[in-house]
Amino acid sequence: EVQLVESGGGLVKPGGSLRLSCGGSGFTFSNAWMSWVRQAPGKGLEWVGRIKSKTEGGTIDYAAPVKGRFTISRDDSKNTLYLQMNSLKTEDTAVYYCTVCRHGFDFWGQGTLVTVSS
Amino acid sequence: EIVMTQSPDTLSVSPGERATLSCRASQSVSNNLAWYQQKAGQAPRLLMYDASTRAAGIPARFSGSGSGTEFTLTITSLQSEDFAVYYCQQYTNWPPMYTFGQGTKLDIK
Repeated sequence: EVQLVESGGGLVKPGGSLRLSCGGSGFTFSNAWMSWVRQAPGKGLEWVGRIKSKTEGGTIDYAAPVKGRFTISRDDSKNTLYLQMNSLKTEDTAVYYCTVCRHGFDFWGQGTLVTVSS
Repeated sequence: EIVMTQSPDTLSVSPGERATLSCRASQSVSNNLAWYQQKAGQAPRLLMYDASTRAAGIPARFSGSGSGTEFTLTITSLQSEDFAVYYCQQYTNWPPMYTFGQGTKLDIK
């Protein structure tokens, strides 16, 4: 059974930083393309960024609103995906989901809430 | 940037009836279209990909159709557990981007 478990969310002030982690199990993590998707309170879904598997180049792509502020990385030895978020804005407040992207966003974690507020 | 527009915003249907949800892309996305179901307080679940292929474990009452700019998700014989919010999502290779529609809330009539 595929499992994704996010952690690291919390309350942070505007301009601050936070790092999210996502541990994966039940699948070959190193072969998986992984994405972060977020959902602001009461709003729809927004793709944040994606990292390909190392065997397919390890390319990382970001959505325009987070490019230059957020960094996605992976540690295949630990089956873990990361999202480093810097220069946070109030509009970054959302539940952040870790996903396996194969055909679409095939599997999702339960999400971790990030609140950016003074 | 490709914009995905879903209609209607809210759809009220009786259990046992059919629901038809629409998704329109501002330019062609070929068949690079997926559908998700999200229940309150839960993560989304992949229903369909490549416009018309059901994801693993998805019941046959869910079907998808369309290509290019017009897509439809049809749910026949609605069950109580089907009342939720549904999102469409497209993928483009260049620039690499995934875009969601704003969602359609399917509620009980």
